[in-house]
Amino acid sequence: EIVLTQSPGTLWLSPGERATLSCRASQSVSSNYLAWYQQKPGQAPRLLIYGASTRATGIPDRFSGSGFGTDFTLTVSRLEPEDFAVYYCQQYGSSPNTFGQGTKLEIK
Amino acid sequence: QVQLQESGPGLVKPSETLSLSCAVSGGSVSSSEYYWGWIRQPPGKGLEWIGSIYFSGTTYYNPSVKSRVTISLATSNNQFSLKLSSVTAADTAVYYCARVLNGYVNDAFAFWGQGSMVTVSS
Repeated sequence: EIVLTQSPGTLWLSPGERATLSCRASQSVSSNYLAWYQQKPGQAPRLLIYGASTRATGIPDRFSGSGFGTDFTLTVSRLEPEDFAVYYCQQYGSSPNTFGQGTKLEIK
Repeated sequence: QVQLQESGPGLVKPSETLSLSCAVSGGSVSSSEYYWGWIRQPPGKGLEWIGSIYFSGTTYYNPSVKSRVTISLATSNNQFSLKLSSVTAADTAVYYCARVLNGYVNDAFAFWGQGSMVTVSS
């Protein structure tokens, strides 16, 4: 199965700053089938990005995804207070689909 | 808008079978061409896909639990269910039901239930 490694484990930033989160796959992700989710405490994950770069319905345009092959990035252009959460990547190009271990975005 | 809601016991004894149901509203589990899945998250840890079922009843399971898991449809009340046998403490987790974004077994999950915490303990 494809192992996804997310970095950093924790990212300390202030509102208004730019966040760059990384997701690296142990092998190439087929057809760039890579998704990003946001999870807040006590809540289910929320789909942000699919197909590596397509925003899901209702997701603000400050969220953007990029990358191909084995290296993918989620960028939040200007952090809002509600963006501080845990972010997970998921590859769904190969079975079983797998998730990264998460990056926690903390307020500095 | 599709909505999902998990239900089931919050405590299961070791070696017994964990059983959860997922009630779906705003869509049909038996007539809409989507996969419906189960994902779990141990306390403080990441997400693990358990398996998915198609509206036709075809199932796909993660090899990590394949020998112990059964996912089925309950079309009469628009639900689908998860059974995980021979549970151990390692199966303690929040269990989510979800629906994929498009009509593929390997797909992003667009709609999620709120999650059901299941603890395995005697």
